[in-house]
Amino acid sequence: GESVGLHLPTLSVQEGDNSIINCAYSNSASDYFIWYKQESGKGPQFIIDIRSNMDKRQGQRVTVLLNKTVKHLSLQIAATQPGDSAVYFCAENNYGQNFVFGPGTRLSVLP
Amino acid sequence: SAVISQKPSRDICQRGTSLTIQCQVDSQVTMMFWYRQQPGQSLTLIATANQGSEATYESGFVIDKFPISRPNLTFSTLTVSNMSPEDSSIYLCSVEDPLQAGAVAGTEAFFGQGTRLTVV
Repeated sequence: GESVGLHLPTLSVQEGDNSIINCAYSNSASDYFIWYKQESGKGPQFIIDIRSNMDKRQGQRVTVLLNKTVKHLSLQIAATQPGDSAVYFCAENNYGQNFVFGPGTRLSVLP
Repeated sequence: SAVISQKPSRDICQRGTSLTIQCQVDSQVTMMFWYRQQPGQSLTLIATANQGSEATYESGFVIDKFPISRPNLTFSTLTVSNMSPEDSSIYLCSVEDPLQAGAVAGTEAFFGQGTRLTVV
């Protein structure tokens, strides 16, 4: 099917390698952050979240790192699989406000 | 977690016409959100739809171009009016709901599958 984000920055990784996707956020007052995964023809889906008072959080095969000093967020995916191929967005939220989404990165997993 | 059904999933429309996109949620929610995702870009919030009051539009979006209805707590529509090729985008309906088990943040944004609109 067609893909969204035909002109998004692309990260290509070999299957089995680790992936690191980066995101710069804009609001130093944001309370929490979420990483979303968007597969072709679908809406974004929740991967993992982190609060502003944390600097690291781990899930299954994924880790999110937060550096508030430089307003930077990263998503690490261990042992990347073909099913991880998608567009990844970070989103920030200040309690009571709406989500603001980052520009997105396309992850392409090579066999 | 909220389940959102959006239709149509895609459409090809003539310029100058209008398209109404429907969004149905499986639970009652206070606010529903409409986003636009242009080719190669991220999600941009168009407006917040509140039941019983007028929608709140973000900068750059106006009611005449994107009228929104919110007749009850589970349904909303977004109309893209007087379309031009620049309106070709994916339009996404979203709600915010309490997070799934194991999450730590406040709420999570749940999305429909989107409506891919092509204006010719």
